[in-house]
Amino acid sequence: GAVVSQHPSWVICKSGTSVKIECRSLDFQATTMFWYRQFPKQSLMLMATSNEGSKATYEQGVEKDKFLINHASLTLSTLTVTSAHPEDSSFYICRGVSDRSDGYTFGSGTRLTVV
Amino acid sequence: KQEVTQIPAALSVPEGENLVLNCSFTDSAIYNLQWFRQDPGKGLTSLLLIQSSQREQTSGRLNASLDKSSGRSTLYIAASQPGDSATYLCAGGTSYGKLTFGQGTILTVHP
Repeated sequence: GAVVSQHPSWVICKSGTSVKIECRSLDFQATTMFWYRQFPKQSLMLMATSNEGSKATYEQGVEKDKFLINHASLTLSTLTVTSAHPEDSSFYICRGVSDRSDGYTFGSGTRLTVV
Repeated sequence: KQEVTQIPAALSVPEGENLVLNCSFTDSAIYNLQWFRQDPGKGLTSLLLIQSSQREQTSGRLNASLDKSSGRSTLYIAASQPGDSATYLCAGGTSYGKLTFGQGTILTVHP
């Protein structure tokens, strides 16, 4: 079945640094990648939608200059948290969707802790 | 804009009990409705997917129903087990794959 590999699974970084999270679709072409964020004891909130080869569409309230999304190929999408702050500490998870109706799956998530 | 609400927020039951988790959504033009399980600190496991043309789906001890007219879905878990303890999330989906999640129901099944 469709698999999305997400790395790293967890990361601790210092305030002010940047962190890159990668999501790779292993056996399908993810034409669209959704990026979600989940704060402790809360549900998943959509941050942005990216389509291969075009700029990401961000949800209201999500800073596009802080959360840089790149979807340069059909098998790789990245989320870079720039100038991270402790309030950015969260669980980030991606979801790849292909043109095939059954081609969608979640990555395993990345636990980001900013100290 | 789709909004999804889940009730109850938390549920604690003894092992063996049958239980129902509720999910409501505001936009009846839903493309599909999905139920997921999330263990603490982990990603999502897809449980059941109901297309808008369907009324229910079953997998083992799980049964999910969808009533578009009333904007509701239920997840029925039969003969609950301690291993069923997790957070259960429902999500309304669009035709292009966007999911809107509810807040989740934290289920605890105690021996």
